[in-house]
Amino acid sequence: GQNIDQPTEMTATEGAIVQINCTYQTSGFNGLFWYQQHAGEAPTFLSYNVLDGLEEKGRFSSFLSRSKGYSYLLLKELQMKDSASYLCAVRYNAGNMLTFGGGTRLMVKP
Amino acid sequence: GAVVSQHPSRVICKSGTSVKIECRSLDFQATTMFWYRQFPKQSLMLMATSNEGSKATYEQGVEKDKFLINHASLTLSTLTVTSAHPEDSSFYICSAQGGGYPSYEQYFGPGTRLTVT
Repeated sequence: GQNIDQPTEMTATEGAIVQINCTYQTSGFNGLFWYQQHAGEAPTFLSYNVLDGLEEKGRFSSFLSRSKGYSYLLLKELQMKDSASYLCAVRYNAGNMLTFGGGTRLMVKP
Repeated sequence: GAVVSQHPSRVICKSGTSVKIECRSLDFQATTMFWYRQFPKQSLMLMATSNEGSKATYEQGVEKDKFLINHASLTLSTLTVTSAHPEDSSFYICSAQGGGYPSYEQYFGPGTRLTVT
């Protein structure tokens, strides 16, 4: 299979920084996505990485190391509204489908 | 931005009946749409890939005769759950591929919560 692993739950404090890790099988890798999903709602796109390095977009950054099969999503200046599930998804080979990890439920506390 | 709608947002049906869920890309054309199901506190599980004008590609373990998919136009795909049973109760989410090069990202609909009694 193409196991995509991420922590199940994380807790952080408002105003702090949190890093959510994702590891995946590297064979056939063709891009990695991070999505945010609030309970009962659709996932919304956060970031896309296909080359090694850091992609920064406001308070959110995403990092990729293809050789290590590793990515992380970094959230800065946490706000209460950031409490949500964060989904790591990988595209393999030339296809269009995504394989999702189990998601990380982030709880931001005051 | 790209918007994907789903209808209905919630549906309750009796065991043995069929339910149709619509997925529409509102401001872009999507040759490829995807159907996922999501159980509480779990991630998205791909059910099938829907290609406009051709048969859907189902993931292993998904019964194609139970989950009928039709992608008749570039903006509409439908999922029909036939002879629904309580174990089919779930959150069904569609997505449409609309992002440009290189991400070709998927845009997700708001989901349909199906409850089978």
